[in-house]
Order: sequence, then structure tokens, then C-alpha cells
Amino acid sequence: KNQVEQSPQSLIILEGKNCTLQCNYTVSPFSNLRWYKQDTGRGPVSLTIMTFSENTKSNGRYTATLDADTKQSSLHITASQLSDSASYICVVSGYGGSQGNLIFGKGTKLSVKP
Amino acid sequence: DAGVIQSPRHEVTEMGQEVTLRCKPISGHDYLFWYRQTMMRGLELLIYFNNNVPIDDSGMPEDRFSAKMPNASFSTLKIQPSEPRDSAVYFCASSSAGTSDSYEQYFGPGTRLTVT
Repeated sequence: KNQVEQSPQSLIILEGKNCTLQCNYTVSPFSNLRWYKQDTGRGPVSLTIMTFSENTKSNGRYTATLDADTKQSSLHITASQLSDSASYICVVSGYGGSQGNLIFGKGTKLSVKP
Repeated sequence: DAGVIQSPRHEVTEMGQEVTLRCKPISGHDYLFWYRQTMMRGLELLIYFNNNVPIDDSGMPEDRFSAKMPNASFSTLKIQPSEPRDSAVYFCASSSAGTSDSYEQYFGPGTRLTVT
């Protein structure tokens, strides 16, 4: 069964600290993996999209890594800011799948405290 | 571009009533998606359209749910009759096929539905 598991479910860190969110998936075959940021009361916004041939991709203070062999991805946030408080959702697409073939994780809720 | 537009932003209704959610996709996008998000189940795809034609509605929970896309700039999701377990945030998203498999989906702000 195609699944996307994220950990931890929630995380609290102090402003300025770094953190890493994890995503494990069982989707096969695999096409791409994306990380979304969802602020409270808003729709998800894409941070990164990585294909199976990409190991890392950055978007400002956000760096995503992908290990297609172990089917693991991580999202590293550097020098966290209060505005990073949000849910982060990992989404995996199967190879050759239609645009509707996205498997969503349940997200990690990050709280950045001053 | 204004992005994906959804209305209403909040809807409170009584069990048994009909509910209609509306979506205007980004101009030029040929894919439109309806999602439902709950704390327990996260984001779930309900149905999606390509060039106004429904492609996959296997995520629609039951016959009480229906969706239409009469033209490229408008779609509706209707629940009739509504039940308390339909309470959730409903998102509309749109995308363009482009030339890559790494298409980007753009989400609207969502409609928070509460059925009492």
C-alpha cells in the first residue's frame, strides 16, 4: 500500500534554532517528492519538488534531501523564524502517475517560540 | 494573478441542508482538484478535472457529493444532504500540465465547513 509517514507529528523549537523534519514513503514506482508549507487557515504552498535523480534542493532557509534508495526525505530549516510556524506536508507522486496520483503525509506541525 | 479563489471562506449549516462550494482556478490552468482536509485523515483528493472533464472521482465519499466544472474558470462542489461528518476544510487547487511531470499545484485558501 502506498503510504507517506511523517515525523515528528509536532515540534516546538526556539527562534533561531535549526530543525529537521522527516518523511518516509512506500510509494513505488516513484516520480517526485514535494514539501508543502501550510500556515494556519491557509492553503498549502509548495516549498520544493524533487525528482528521483535529485538528492537535495534548497529554497532559502529550507533544504530538502531525498534518498530514493531508502525512500526517505528530510526538510531542514535553518535559523528558524517565528513565521516558520506552520504545518509541513510531504507529498509523493508515483512514476507516470496522473496529476491526481499524489500521496499526502499528515504533516508535521512546527511551532517556533521567541 | 489573484491565485485560486474559493467561496465562501466559512460555511455553517444544519444537517440535511445543501451546501455548495465554489472555486475559480488560475487562468490558463487546465487541471482542477478538490481536496478535503481533516485532522484525522489529512488532505484527501476528492475529484479532479482536466479541461473541464472529470478524470477521477474515486475519492468522492458517497453519492451525497457531486462536482461540476461547466467552464474553464469555474467549478462547484455540492453536498446534499450534508451531515456533521462532512465538517472539514475543503480546498480547491489548480495546475497546468506543462512539459514536466513535476507540475505545481496551487491551492486556494479553503472553505471551512461546519455542519451542525
